[in-house]
Amino acid sequence: GQQLNQSPQSMFIQEGEDVSMNCTSSSIFNTWLWYKQDPGEGPVLLIALYKAGELTSNGRLTAQFGITRKDSFLNISASIPSDVGIYFCAGQLMRSSGGSNYKLTFGKGTLLTVNP
Amino acid sequence: NAGVTQTPKFQVLKTGQSMTLQCAQDMNHNSMYWYRQDPGMGLRLIYYSASEGTTDKGEVPNGYNVSRLNKREFSLRLESAAPSQTSVYFCASSELTLGDYEQYFGPGTRLTVT
Repeated sequence: GQQLNQSPQSMFIQEGEDVSMNCTSSSIFNTWLWYKQDPGEGPVLLIALYKAGELTSNGRLTAQFGITRKDSFLNISASIPSDVGIYFCAGQLMRSSGGSNYKLTFGKGTLLTVNP
Repeated sequence: NAGVTQTPKFQVLKTGQSMTLQCAQDMNHNSMYWYRQDPGMGLRLIYYSASEGTTDKGEVPNGYNVSRLNKREFSLRLESAAPSQTSVYFCASSELTLGDYEQYFGPGTRLTVT
């Protein structure tokens, strides 16, 4: 199946630092989504991106839809201890016909640890 | 508004036993999905239902069956559980209209097969 390469796999940072993670693929996507999963919980949607080049913020989180449609970035500014968790990117592939495949392809996640 | 709910939250089965995982959503979404999550593997799609009355295989369907009971409910059945099915199972739903493909997840069912 299609693959999303998400990096880094894990990050250990100090409280107050900024964080950046990204997802890349060789395929073109119509939609990029970013999720956060707390331990023992289901993924929670953070940001949805629908247009190439789009930059969207949600509080201290900012995500961008890459201009090539093959990548996306998530930045977290001024990290706090409750930012700990696994962050997943997910993309919706563009079909060869130009329409959307409504199934999502997920990255394997970035495990974020924040030291107080 | 509970969103997506799943039962049970935890389950332990012996090899060969069967069980059904239940999922319900109250967001009037058209589409529902079942995923499994294993360490280092991310989320893998087992089955999905694009709309009431339809179901399709995902990436890892072997050993599972599903039923879209109505618009709200989508169940996942393991007919003869195997240790390889030890995993965390998530149900998700989405509106699936043009331009809206966001999926919303339930809290998960943690299944151990011994």
